[in-house]
Amino acid sequence: ETGVTQSPTHLIKTRGQQVTLRCSSQSGHNTVSWYQQALGQGPQFIFQYYREEENGRGNFPPRFSGLQFPNYSSELNVNALELDDSALYLCASSLPGGTTYEQYFGPGTRLTVT
Amino acid sequence: QKEVEQDPGPLSVPEGAIVSLNCTYSNSAFQYFMWYRQYSRKGPELLMYTYSSGNKEDGRFTAQVDKSSKYISLFIRDSQPSDSATYLCAMSQYSGGGADGLTFGKGTHLIIQP
Repeated sequence: ETGVTQSPTHLIKTRGQQVTLRCSSQSGHNTVSWYQQALGQGPQFIFQYYREEENGRGNFPPRFSGLQFPNYSSELNVNALELDDSALYLCASSLPGGTTYEQYFGPGTRLTVT
Repeated sequence: QKEVEQDPGPLSVPEGAIVSLNCTYSNSAFQYFMWYRQYSRKGPELLMYTYSSGNKEDGRFTAQVDKSSKYISLFIRDSQPSDSATYLCAMSQYSGGGADGLTFGKGTHLIIQP
């Protein structure tokens, strides 16, 4: 069974640029969630995708957007980057339904905005 | 007041000691409670998953939930240097996060001294 993978591992961008981060979900998992983890903080929920539709969203502006593909992989896009967007971006996959519904995280993409 | 409060530490204990990690929360709608372990520059790894109040044991780990006090705990018995990591509590109204995602504490940095 393949776990959650993310690419790239590290990324450096300049303020105002746009970035795309990618995530491949764990085998059989059809729901993908994205989180932002600033240094010294817990992860914060950005949004969740299920069946290629945004299923829920946290307190993040519209310049954070996403996609989910038929193979359940996902992208996170951030436009007009700001210095505060520097963080570890985590993708988590899960299989909805049942009583043992858990989220499994990938290793993250570390984004630095200068 | 933040929704989930967790002492960031660091918490330093000698090898073999019993470790107690705690979180308090304010949202009485939370029903699902999780503990994640995160090593430096890695994604969070799910340790324990509990529904509603009660205890759950898995090897050296015991999770406790007291919904009446809005207080959750993780106990680690016979602690090992390899347990040194940041421990994040997370909670949700829905199994696996649902449309609102998981709400995390800041994490407690645990150091087990050999």
